[in-house]
Amino acid sequence: GENVEQHPSTLSVQEGDSAVIKCTYSDSASNYFPWYKQELGKRPQLIIDIRSNVGEKKDQRIAVTLNKTAKHFSLHITETQPEDSAVYFCAATLPGAGSYQLTFGKGTKLSVIP
Amino acid sequence: NAGVTQTPKFQVLKTGQSMTLQCAQDMNHNSMYWYRQDPGMGLRLIYYSASEGTTDKGEVPNGYNVSRLNKREFSLRLESAAPSQTSVYFCASRDRNNQPQHFGDGTRLSIL
Repeated sequence: GENVEQHPSTLSVQEGDSAVIKCTYSDSASNYFPWYKQELGKRPQLIIDIRSNVGEKKDQRIAVTLNKTAKHFSLHITETQPEDSAVYFCAATLPGAGSYQLTFGKGTKLSVIP
Repeated sequence: NAGVTQTPKFQVLKTGQSMTLQCAQDMNHNSMYWYRQDPGMGLRLIYYSASEGTTDKGEVPNGYNVSRLNKREFSLRLESAAPSQTSVYFCASRDRNNQPQHFGDGTRLSIL
């Protein structure tokens, strides 16, 4: 099955700086990569996703890049704000019958210091 | 439009007791999922239902059973609760391939 590794496990940045979280996946056939944000005591919520036919996707201050050759994808948050403080999870899924299972990384706790 | 609704939100059980966690979605999604979330472990898949009438094991199925009651509802049962099952349980649903999963608010379960 798929295996997803996520780094770093914790990240502290000053307000206004950028934050980058990286994930690697094991199965080159994986074709869908969502990112979730989870605030303390809340549900995980999708913030951005990317499919394997695209190298980069951007939504305002958030962007995701995908390097299929190296089997890694990254979340970039620019101009960080205190409300960006949360745990972020990356995930990957295989096509076909494997698409029903979403494999998550262990999460990155982002702290934005005002 | 409530999305994914889980009940109860909190529960305390004694070792050996049984319990069913309920999940319902109103988005007409085909697939439904049960995860558990433990500190430092991320989200781990317990069981999933690709479509109405089917269920399959995920990464950590031992000690759990599921029922896909209809397209809307997917329940998770603990037959004989153990302290190791203390966790936050999330239900999720998804429409089709390469679409995001939508999560409920979670059930915080403590087993003494």
